[in-house]
Amino acid sequence: TQLLEQSPQFLSIQEGENLTVYCNSSSVFSSLQWYRQEPGEGPVLLVTVVTGGEVKKLKRLTFQFGDARKDSSLHITAAQPGDTGLYLCAGGYTGNQFYFGTGTSLTVIP
Amino acid sequence: ETGVTQSPTHLIKTRGQQVTLRCSSQSGHNTVSWYQQALGQGPQFIFQYYREEENGRGNFPPRFSGLQFPNYSSELNVNALELDDSALYLCASSLAGTVLSTFGSGTRLTVV
Repeated sequence: TQLLEQSPQFLSIQEGENLTVYCNSSSVFSSLQWYRQEPGEGPVLLVTVVTGGEVKKLKRLTFQFGDARKDSSLHITAAQPGDTGLYLCAGGYTGNQFYFGTGTSLTVIP
Repeated sequence: ETGVTQSPTHLIKTRGQQVTLRCSSQSGHNTVSWYQQALGQGPQFIFQYYREEENGRGNFPPRFSGLQFPNYSSELNVNALELDDSALYLCASSLAGTVLSTFGSGTRLTVV
């Protein structure tokens, strides 16, 4: 059972398009992380957000934590083929115990 | 600074057998968490070890057990393997009190 639901589950877009991935839960988290995972590899941390309403930018990626700390979004501007991968959100409680979302598989077509 | 190392990378076992997976944590990290990732799904938290003791557990049966050693490395043991145990097993290390985790590349376990 996944505590966090991500949408969409699959996304295929053309290079240069924008996209948003959503991560929703009924639970309140002390922090929320976004990861990108490539086939055969472990997840790689992109960002950690800890404050409700917090917005963080990482080049073309914008992450937002919901005011109630139950949801988050990841927006990618002008997607590139190198952005292809599985995007995972993970909600954290105390002690670095994280519960992952269902994942969004992104394919960016050149 | 070395990252998280997991071994073996791939493993095939028969239903009913036992398996041990190993994880060396990143230098400076003292906490290790284990996750199970089934194909097409997000990782599921199995348990976490800190100071050689279990420090939190997800919804996994007792046949999933672990150890942490004084050098902070860790083992995941699974007894009485079932077909549904086939998955990518991920280890993540972190420093207690921080939210930054580093994942290994995982062990792909196939149960036949």
